[in-house]
Amino acid sequence: DSGVTQTPKHLITATGQRVTLRCSPRSGDLSVYWYQQSLDQGLQFLIQYYNGEERAKGNILERFSAQQFPDLHSELNLSSLELGDSALYFCASSPRPGLASGELFFGEGSRLTVL
Amino acid sequence: AQRVTQPEKLLSVFKGAPVELKCNYSYSGSPELFWYVQYSRQRLQLLLRHISRESIKGFTADLNKGETSFHLKKPFAQEEDSAMYYCALENSGGYQKVTFGTGTKLQVIP
Repeated sequence: DSGVTQTPKHLITATGQRVTLRCSPRSGDLSVYWYQQSLDQGLQFLIQYYNGEERAKGNILERFSAQQFPDLHSELNLSSLELGDSALYFCASSPRPGLASGELFFGEGSRLTVL
Repeated sequence: AQRVTQPEKLLSVFKGAPVELKCNYSYSGSPELFWYVQYSRQRLQLLLRHISRESIKGFTADLNKGETSFHLKKPFAQEEDSAMYYCALENSGGYQKVTFGTGTKLQVIP
């Protein structure tokens, strides 16, 4: 499957812990976006990378960080986890940093449960 | 700041009835607007974008800058249209931030 892949699909952890979510973009896509979807909150934009560089930042908490590696995969690190961090985290990719002539391709998401 | 508002969490219509999913946006510049759809057990995917002025699966959306709206319409709903619909806005500045609304669940009743 050459689509966007996210691992793990499900993750259960305790408050105060740290987790890493991984995203592999579609083959050839240079741009990666991270979104958080909590109950009734819609898709909250966290951060965007293009070819290894941060391009745009949304409402990403200081406890969260992300990076895009030379092979273009990206990781979202969530630390000092709180109950409210329980959510579905989506990664999306696109060929270019802008979407005027393109689209976002989404992964299936990583469901994080903090107990 | 850019914002996308979808006022309805759930919209139920009968098969064959017209559909209108509302989307309003707040953005000071010239936005790029999109509708994304998520069918049951499928990934979120692009439905249409305003710049293309296209009709996809019978759906159309017109950008109304005066009312800052981008409502999604279809004249006759079909059961397979049942899904979650998200309106999205991309800013036109140097940093391409894509903001989504909270989504509307469309339920088409047979």
